[in-house]
Amino acid sequence: DQQVKQNSPSLSVQEGRISILNCDYTNSMFDYFLWYKKYPAEGPTFLISISSIKDKNEDGRFTVFLNKSAKHLSLHIVPSQPGDSAVYFCAASVWNNNDMRFGAGTRLTVKP
Amino acid sequence: DGGITQSPKYLFRKEGQNVTLSCEQNLNHDAMYWYRQDPGQGLRLIYYSQIVNDFQKGDIAEGYSVSREKKESFPLTVTSAQKNPTAFYLCASTSGGVRNQPQHFGDGTRLSIL
Repeated sequence: DQQVKQNSPSLSVQEGRISILNCDYTNSMFDYFLWYKKYPAEGPTFLISISSIKDKNEDGRFTVFLNKSAKHLSLHIVPSQPGDSAVYFCAASVWNNNDMRFGAGTRLTVKP
Repeated sequence: DGGITQSPKYLFRKEGQNVTLSCEQNLNHDAMYWYRQDPGQGLRLIYYSQIVNDFQKGDIAEGYSVSREKKESFPLTVTSAQKNPTAFYLCASTSGGVRNQPQHFGDGTRLSIL
């Protein structure tokens, strides 16, 4: 039962443009959402998070939007840079439960 | 520098053999996790431990075993009962008892069958 879904396995954008990565979830109990970035042969690294009491969280070039009614979140990267090329995982958990659920990932390629 | 160390980076298993993957952290984290990643799938939880000498099964615990004798260490044994062990294994940790903390990951171990 895949509770967190990233329906786009890959995304390609031009340097300087916006990258938008999408994530859908099914469990309405999730109240903490994260994005991780993963380079080949390395573990995921935490990028940005958002709790369910917010609908937007921004950190530099990265902004996460949460639409609870649609059970959807997205990660915006503006402007995109070639170094952003990586696999991005969406994850979700219930606040008092460390059992985090991950999506399958979206491979972002930023072309110079 | 604090972090999580997984070893080895690559591991090969013969049929019928048990192998153990090492995970060590110096972040003073209480909770530790093992995930498995297969192509086209998200990370799936194998086992997790919230405290020393205690651990819980995740979604895909069959064919795996763990121990948590020390706070810093959470080794994973892939037993011969695990019929499809070829995958990328990730260890993670987080502060226990603290709400909404991201997990820190090691660089993973890639296990293959000979």
